[in-house]
Amino acid sequence: AQKVTQAQTEISVVEKEDVTLDCVYETRDTTYYLFWYKQPPSGELVFLIRRNSFDEQNEISGRYSWNFQKSTSSFNFTITASQVVDSAVYFCALSEAPNTGNQFYFGTGTSLTVIP
Amino acid sequence: DAGITQSPRHKVTETGTPVTLRCHQTENHRYMYWYRQDPGHGLRLIHYSYGVKDTDKGEVSDGYSVSRSKTEDFLLTLESATSSQTSVYFCAIPGGAVGYTFGSGTRLTVV
Repeated sequence: AQKVTQAQTEISVVEKEDVTLDCVYETRDTTYYLFWYKQPPSGELVFLIRRNSFDEQNEISGRYSWNFQKSTSSFNFTITASQVVDSAVYFCALSEAPNTGNQFYFGTGTSLTVIP
Repeated sequence: DAGITQSPRHKVTETGTPVTLRCHQTENHRYMYWYRQDPGHGLRLIHYSYGVKDTDKGEVSDGYSVSRSKTEDFLLTLESATSSQTSVYFCAIPGGAVGYTFGSGTRLTVV
C-alpha cells in the first residue's frame, strides 16, 4: 500500500533561518513520482517540484532544495533563509503514474510559520 | 486561463440538505478527481472519474455520490449533508509535469 508520512505537523522559525520539512513514503512500485505542493493562506495548491523514482539527483531552485533518498524512502524539502512569504502548509505526495489516472497519496501536511 | 474551475467557492448549508459541488474543466482530460482536505488528514480521495459515466470510489466515499455526463463536468453530491462533511473540497485533473492541476477549492460548512 502507498503511504506518505509528514511527521512534522507544525514548524515555526524566525525569518532567515533554514528549515527542513520531512517526507517519508511507502510504495511497492519501482516506478513512482514524488511531489511537493505549497498551500498559502489564500488556499490554493501550488506545485513546487516533481521527482521520479529513477532520478535521485538533488534539486535546487533558488532558496528551495530537495533531497531524495531512495535508501531511506525520503524526499525532504529545505528552505534556506526563510521569508515570511514561505508561511504556508506544505504537502508531500506520491503517485505511481500521475498522467494515467493513478491517484495521488498525500501526507497530512506541515504548517510552516515564518516569524518576522 | 484556468483549465479547471469549481463552484461554488463557499457554501453554508444545513444538516440533512442535499448539496452539489461542480467541477468544470476545459482541458478535455479523461480523468477527474474529488478530494477533501481536513486538518490532520491532508487530502483524501472521495471519488474519481475515468471517462463519461465512468466513476469509482476513493477512500472516503461514504455519504458522497458523483456524476459525469459530459467530459468537462464532474459533480459531487452530498445527498444529506452532515457536520462531518464540513471540509474544503478540491477537484483535480492530471497536470502533466505538475502532477495535478487543482481547482481553487470549495469551502463547505454544514451547520
